[in-house]
Amino acid sequence: DTAVSQTPKYLVTQMGNDKSIKCEQNLGHDTMYWYKQDSKKFLKIMFSYNNKELIINETVPNRFSPKSPDKAHLNLHINSLELGDSAVYFCASSQAGTGELFFGEGSRLTVL
Amino acid sequence: GEDVEQSLFLSVREGDSSVINCTYTDSSSTYLYWYKQEPGAGLQLLTYIFSNMDMKQDQRLTVLLNKKDKHLSLRIADTQTGDSAIYFCAEKNSGTYKYIFGTGTRLKVLA
Repeated sequence: DTAVSQTPKYLVTQMGNDKSIKCEQNLGHDTMYWYKQDSKKFLKIMFSYNNKELIINETVPNRFSPKSPDKAHLNLHINSLELGDSAVYFCASSQAGTGELFFGEGSRLTVL
Repeated sequence: GEDVEQSLFLSVREGDSSVINCTYTDSSSTYLYWYKQEPGAGLQLLTYIFSNMDMKQDQRLTVLLNKKDKHLSLRIADTQTGDSAIYFCAEKNSGTYKYIFGTGTRLKVLA
């Protein structure tokens, strides 16, 4: 059973389009995250939700909008895609305590 | 602000030890982590250390923490070709939900 699953795994689209990436975790964790990994492999946090409440909102263009319908799901919607949005987007979840982060396999977004 | 730095590349021969270094700036970091990322995959936790510890050993992995210098290292004994990957250190303050990742070190193991 996959702990943190993201769909789609690959996404190729044109500039100006709107796209969504979905994430689900079956670990019973309270906190979920979106990270962006650029072509140099640098990993930057974008958003975090705890029990459906937005708790981290880094300096991200407002074209990016996260939505958490319940604590097991965190989706990322991106409007008016730009070339610079091309990256791998990782979803992750954690629980309290030592707070190990469990990552999904990533969604590679390519904007042409 | 918080900053976590690593050297970008490390190359070792199979059977040698690898040492990957990390420096961080947030003195209130409570947890420090090492993650491994293989090509085309997400990050997986290798080990972690609490800030009140100096050392942690887990099979081939040894983590050393110098809190005064804000320096963390990961030693992999008897490095194998399967250890080739990108290694990220990360830090977290117990009062926040925010994990700050380092720049990643790409380890290449030569046969």
